[in-house]
Amino acid sequence: SQQGEEDPQALSIQEGENATMNCSYKTSINNLQWYRQNSGRGLVHLILIRSNEREKHSGRLRVTLDTSKKSSSLLITASRAADTASYFCATERETSGSRLTFGEGTQLTVNP
Amino acid sequence: ETGVTQSPTHLIKTRGQQVTLRCSSQSGHNTVSWYQQALGQGPQFIFQYYREEENGRGNFPPRFSGLQFPNYSSELNVNALELDDSALYLCASSFDQRYNEQFFGPGTRLTVL
Repeated sequence: SQQGEEDPQALSIQEGENATMNCSYKTSINNLQWYRQNSGRGLVHLILIRSNEREKHSGRLRVTLDTSKKSSSLLITASRAADTASYFCATERETSGSRLTFGEGTQLTVNP
Repeated sequence: ETGVTQSPTHLIKTRGQQVTLRCSSQSGHNTVSWYQQALGQGPQFIFQYYREEENGRGNFPPRFSGLQFPNYSSELNVNALELDDSALYLCASSFDQRYNEQFFGPGTRLTVL
């Protein structure tokens, strides 16, 4: 079963706006990773945030992690049409080695 | 580009046949994980190989098997193909088995007719 659940399932915004995607999970984790996927192609790694971290930044990306609420968010600032893709969160659970458990993803559409 | 390569890119098979998919890990990585992604869903973990040994398996039947070679490249074999095996198969490589980023290849699109 999927551990992560992304919210919303689909998001449509205009270029220049910010996009926020949320991820919830059920069990204790070692880390949480965010990935991007363009139309059925391979996954591109965006950010890894460890369970003892609360926030990480990478360029226009900001990820937060709240382990007490078992949730994470991915913020993309000043979005571009090229950001159009599916975004997945994936958790590495404490009890299951380094297998990643993915959610169903958020489909982001950035309109020019 | 992650440096993880997969072959072939696309494959069409019929029910009951067998298939072998290949993955070359990123330089310096000793761990390869395989995932199955059905259309419109998130990837599902199949199994992982660490230094040539299976190191964890997801909820997939024994007809899904694998290998890892001394150069850390890997194969995924699926016997007795079923229609539901149609999916994108992704491999990911990482350094050591835990706590690190996993970098994915472009995937192999398998269609079973």
